[in-house]
Amino acid sequence: EAQVTQNPRYLITVTGKKLTVTCSQNMNHEYMSWYRQDPGLGLRQIYYSMNVEVTDKGDVPEGYKVSRKEKRNFPLILESPSPNQTSLYFCASSLGRVNEQYFGPGTRLTVT
Amino acid sequence: RKEVEQDPGPFNVPEGATVAFNCTYSNSASQSFFWYRQDCRKEPKLLMSVYSSGNEDGRFTAQLNRASQYISLLIRDSKLSDSATYLCVVSTGAGSYQLTFGKGTKLSVIP
Repeated sequence: EAQVTQNPRYLITVTGKKLTVTCSQNMNHEYMSWYRQDPGLGLRQIYYSMNVEVTDKGDVPEGYKVSRKEKRNFPLILESPSPNQTSLYFCASSLGRVNEQYFGPGTRLTVT
Repeated sequence: RKEVEQDPGPFNVPEGATVAFNCTYSNSASQSFFWYRQDCRKEPKLLMSVYSSGNEDGRFTAQLNRASQYISLLIRDSKLSDSATYLCVVSTGAGSYQLTFGKGTKLSVIP
């Protein structure tokens, strides 16, 4: 089954404790992206990747890192999480530049 | 400034009603346009792309007006299962890899 998977689905952590949210797709998509969704603000893009080893900042990249060492994986790294990073995070992938984006199920992160 | 604006909603409509969502975008260089649907606490899913000539998929019709930088979505004969948040999505510019999402309009179809 074609899908985007994210882990963990739910995470509660404390300020400053490094964490990684994994994202994997099995559709051989070139393009992958991370978004955060907050009430009243909608979906905002954090980082995106056009292909292996090619990444770029989205609208809200501060406090986040990403890497794209393999085509199927695009982890999101929070080196020192802060409470303002409490949010619902979605990973997405697509075959081309602005083709249909397939979203993962989301990761709900709470930073206390 | 990149911006996509939608009707604030929420829209509460009876079953069988026709409902229209509107969306305006600020970047005249935008080339690609979409409507996504998001159910509560779920991931967004593509409902339909929006083409310059307008397009229809069953009960759903999408239209684009480039001159006015305006996109619309019409849902005819609303079903209970249409209850969701509808997101207007626009590419940020010609050749861009980025998409800008509107904040969404919540639709509740009432029996």
